[in-house]
Amino acid sequence: DAGVTQSPTHLIKTRGQQVTLRCSPKSGHDTVSWYQQALGQGPQFIFQYYEEEERQRGNFPDRFSGHQFPNYSSELNVNALLLGDSALYLCASSVAPGGGNQPQHFGDGTRLSIL
Amino acid sequence: GNSVTQMEGPVTLSEEAFLTINCTYTATGYPSLFWYVQYPGEGLQLLLKATKADDKGSNKGFEATYRKETTSFHLEKGSVQVSDSAVYFCALSSGGGADGLTFGKGTHLIIQP
Repeated sequence: DAGVTQSPTHLIKTRGQQVTLRCSPKSGHDTVSWYQQALGQGPQFIFQYYEEEERQRGNFPDRFSGHQFPNYSSELNVNALLLGDSALYLCASSVAPGGGNQPQHFGDGTRLSIL
Repeated sequence: GNSVTQMEGPVTLSEEAFLTINCTYTATGYPSLFWYVQYPGEGLQLLLKATKADDKGSNKGFEATYRKETTSFHLEKGSVQVSDSAVYFCALSSGGGADGLTFGKGTHLIIQP
């Protein structure tokens, strides 16, 4: 039973560029959440997708956008990259809201470095 | 808004010592509470959870009790091992775990043989 998978593992970009990160949820899960984890900090919630729509959003600018596909996989897009966007980006999947007290399962993350 | 406060680390203990990592929270309503663990170079793994007041979550010898009166969810283990060395995160969710999680800053635990 595959868990949450993310790609790529590492990525290096320069300021002003755009980046796309990908996530496949755990089998049986249909909700995907994205988090940003700066070095030495706890993860910060970016947004959550369910039924191909953004369901919840944290305190992140519009440069951060996402998408969910019919197979429940998801992408995180970041435009106009800033040095401060350097972080570990974590994807988490879960059963749909209302599907019981099911916790979120996390992938190993994508390490994004901005030069 | 929601917030989680954890004790600062690193916390350094000898093998077989008793562990407590403090966690307090601020939230509206009745949140669900979680402890996640992160090993070097890896994502987060759910360690335990509690979804209502006085619930006790437990796993791998770790325990935490949901205390609504003190808004706390302290993590404990009676005898730690070197393999418990990791970063521990306390987190809450207002939607039973399916909503976006609010995390504390994490506590780095180092167990010495």
